[in-house]
Amino acid sequence: ETGVTQTPRHLVMGMTNKKSLKCEQHLGHNAMYWYKQSAKKPLELMFVYNFKEQTENNSVPSRFSPECPNSSHLFLHLHTLQPEDSALYLCASSKEDEQFFGPGTRLTVL
Amino acid sequence: DQQVKQNSPSLSVQEGRISILNCDYTNSMFDYFLWYKKYPAEGPTFLISISSIKDKNEDGRFTVFLNKSAKHLSLHIVPSQPGDSAVYFCAASSDSGTYKYIFGTGTRLKVLA
Repeated sequence: ETGVTQTPRHLVMGMTNKKSLKCEQHLGHNAMYWYKQSAKKPLELMFVYNFKEQTENNSVPSRFSPECPNSSHLFLHLHTLQPEDSALYLCASSKEDEQFFGPGTRLTVL
Repeated sequence: DQQVKQNSPSLSVQEGRISILNCDYTNSMFDYFLWYKKYPAEGPTFLISISSIKDKNEDGRFTVFLNKSAKHLSLHIVPSQPGDSAVYFCAASSDSGTYKYIFGTGTRLKVLA
């Protein structure tokens, strides 16, 4: 148990759908992250939130919209995605250097 | 351009032997490195780290070596156990305070019983 949970674990959506991914941590960490893992590609950092403030947006298309209402919760709102957005989306949290990852959401865009 | 590279996508090692996983980086500003281990259907878990002021860090069966001049780090696992079978990612940062890590593509280790 890493203390970082993600829901849903699997999601299939059409290109016109709107959905949200949820991440929750109860480790007392102040930083939270969204990563994208595509097959045979490095983990890509998407967004970083530090004390609820977005400190990093790694040139992510606007069809991905993060939300961090408090330091324990992080959302990734999805709309009008493309099939190439199909990937594993990982949430992580950290207090210092070590990041704790959630299990990920496997997203398939049809 | 990939700043952190793990050129071996997979590695098979006999149980009890040493596993050596390699990682190369291009950015000389990187000064902090981590290794993560990932089992199927789980997120990566932290394994071991090393700061650029050191060239070796050891934790039980796991040792990370850093060669700054070659921009190369390696993870040694000895003795290897079947439970070590997983995907191993190396990650690098140029400033731990920025919370930004660049990850390699991972190496799948299979330890044969």
